[in-house]
Amino acid sequence: EIVMTQSPATLSVSPGERATLSCRASQSVSSNLAWYQQKPGQAPRLLIYGASTRATGIPARFSGSGSGTEFTLTISSLQSEDFAVYYCQQYNNWPLGFGGGTKVEIK
Amino acid sequence: EVQLVESGGGLVQPGGSLRLSCAASGFTFSSYEMNWVRQAPGKGLEWVSYISSSGSTIYYADSVKGRFTISRDNAKNSLYLQMNSLRAEDTAVYYCARVTGWLFTDYWGQGTLVTVSS
Repeated sequence: EIVMTQSPATLSVSPGERATLSCRASQSVSSNLAWYQQKPGQAPRLLIYGASTRATGIPARFSGSGSGTEFTLTISSLQSEDFAVYYCQQYNNWPLGFGGGTKVEIK
Repeated sequence: EVQLVESGGGLVQPGGSLRLSCAASGFTFSSYEMNWVRQAPGKGLEWVSYISSSGSTIYYADSVKGRFTISRDNAKNSLYLQMNSLRAEDTAVYYCARVTGWLFTDYWGQGTLVTVSS
């Protein structure tokens, strides 16, 4: 089973600043990595798939990079609506696995 | 517009059973694979089960294998999760989610809460 580890657990950022979230896989998942955003009381929303492709309707301030075991989600200039929990997920192997999440909070 | 609406959640005693349903609309349900994903209160996301578009291929997380059964009825645009021998640790919001051909999830329902408690 591939274990997904996200860091940091909590990230405190001021509006307008850049946020960098990390996701590490215990073995290579190639580029089969997705990022999701979840706000309180809501279902997750797909942001990025294929490690770096933005999903439909996702603003350009969200970008993903990486391959193999190391991945990064960058939010270039945080907006008020971006404060949420972010999860990475590998879909290279069964069982599918999610990271533990990074909470992006207002500094 | 893609819509996934879960139902069937509720309070059940340990050892009991529950059947979740997910009604799909706004897309050709029979062409898509589907997942169930759950989230315990205050915790992260956990993949539970997958079913292919025809229902011929099914996978389960080890934590539910032998107790949960995923199924679908393409004529009714519906996905199901039969949950037996429920445990306290199965308490979670259960999401129905559409899977793309590359196996990531692109749409999620709003979830249904399952509480296992005496």
